[in-house]
Amino acid sequence: EIVLTQSPDFQSVTPKEKVTITCRASQSIGGSLHWYQQKPDQSPKLLIKFASQSISGVPSKFSGSGSGTDFTLTINSPETEDAATYYCHQTSTLPWTFGQGTKVEIK
Amino acid sequence: QVQLQESGPGLVKPSETLSLTCSVSGGSISSTDYYWGWIRQPPGKGLEWIGSIYYSGSTYYNPSLKSPVTISVDTSKNHFSLQLSSVTAADTAVYYCARHTSTWTIDYWGQGALVIVSS
Repeated sequence: EIVLTQSPDFQSVTPKEKVTITCRASQSIGGSLHWYQQKPDQSPKLLIKFASQSISGVPSKFSGSGSGTDFTLTINSPETEDAATYYCHQTSTLPWTFGQGTKVEIK
Repeated sequence: QVQLQESGPGLVKPSETLSLTCSVSGGSISSTDYYWGWIRQPPGKGLEWIGSIYYSGSTYYNPSLKSPVTISVDTSKNHFSLQLSSVTAADTAVYYCARHTSTWTIDYWGQGALVIVSS
């Protein structure tokens, strides 16, 4: 199965800083990589699909990039409400897999 | 707006079968545009895809799961179900049902159901 490795596991930033989370796949997955946000005691929410495609209703401060094996989620000017765990997810090859998650704290 | 709601026992004994149902409202489970799936999350841990089903009954399972899995669909009731056999404590998790688009992105999730495996 394809293993997705996220880094870092934890990131603490101030509202003026940019959040950057990377996701590396164990083999090429083209652009079939999606990003989810999960707040405590909530279900995950889709933020970005197919590496860089925006989702209706998701603020433009969230953006994604990458292809092949290396992907990035960026949160510009994060706010306290963006404190959450972020997961990448691949739908290139069955079984579908998720990264281990990156917890983001906004100081 | 599509809504998904998990239901089922919150406590299951080891070696028994875990059964959950996901009721879909605001949309038809018979739509040709979507797949329907189960994902779980052990307490304090990450997400694991269990398996998915198409309205026709075609199924896709994660072979990494140690407990045998069966996913079924009932189009007349607009719901789909999960059965996990011979469960152990390692199957304790929040179980989410979800909708996949035709390209497998998960666009809607249920609120999740905590199932504890314990005697």
